[in-house]
Amino acid sequence: DAGVTQSPTHLIKTRGQQVTLRCSPKSGHDTVSWYQQALGQGPQFIFQYYEEEERQRGNFPDRFSGHQFPNYSSELNVNALLLGDSALYLCASSSQRRGNTEAFFGQGTRLTVV
Amino acid sequence: AQRVTQPEKLLSVFKGAPVELKCNYSYSGSPELFWYVQYSRQRLQLLLRHISRESIKGFTADLNKGETSFHLKKPFAQEEDSAMYYCAPLIKAAGNKLTFGGGTRVLVKP
Repeated sequence: DAGVTQSPTHLIKTRGQQVTLRCSPKSGHDTVSWYQQALGQGPQFIFQYYEEEERQRGNFPDRFSGHQFPNYSSELNVNALLLGDSALYLCASSSQRRGNTEAFFGQGTRLTVV
Repeated sequence: AQRVTQPEKLLSVFKGAPVELKCNYSYSGSPELFWYVQYSRQRLQLLLRHISRESIKGFTADLNKGETSFHLKKPFAQEEDSAMYYCAPLIKAAGNKLTFGGGTRVLVKP
């Protein structure tokens, strides 16, 4: 089991562009959560997907959207990129069906907006 | 509002000295409490959770519901404990959403 995998590892985009980040959860997990981690700060919750629906959302604008596929993988989309969107984006998976609250994290995608 | 506070940004201790990382939370309900750790060039990973009452790598954490604190302690720090530590309460009623503190960097000097 490769654990949680994210792609790409690094990305540079221009202000105003759109970006899609991808996450494959750990085998057997059904829930994917996305976090934004700015330099020197703790991860901030963006949203969570379970059963292909957004279940919880943090304090992020509608420019941040996502999707979960039937195989439980997930995408995070950010539209109209701002310089302030530059951060490490983390994906975490867990299993709500099994009632396991431990989150397993990917290595992150480093997004730089110029 | 839900809030997690880790007052120390940096803790620098010598090898063999005790280390305590503070975490205070403000939540309605009864959150499940976690400590996550990130070693250099590694991904964020679970260190321990209060419901398991385990000691992991010599670390323990005491949940004090009265003070709403969940401090992490180790009596004798080792150089390999140098890492970034995050306190993270989770509310099951909120769909297993983890809320992270700002983190404490621990530096263990030889």
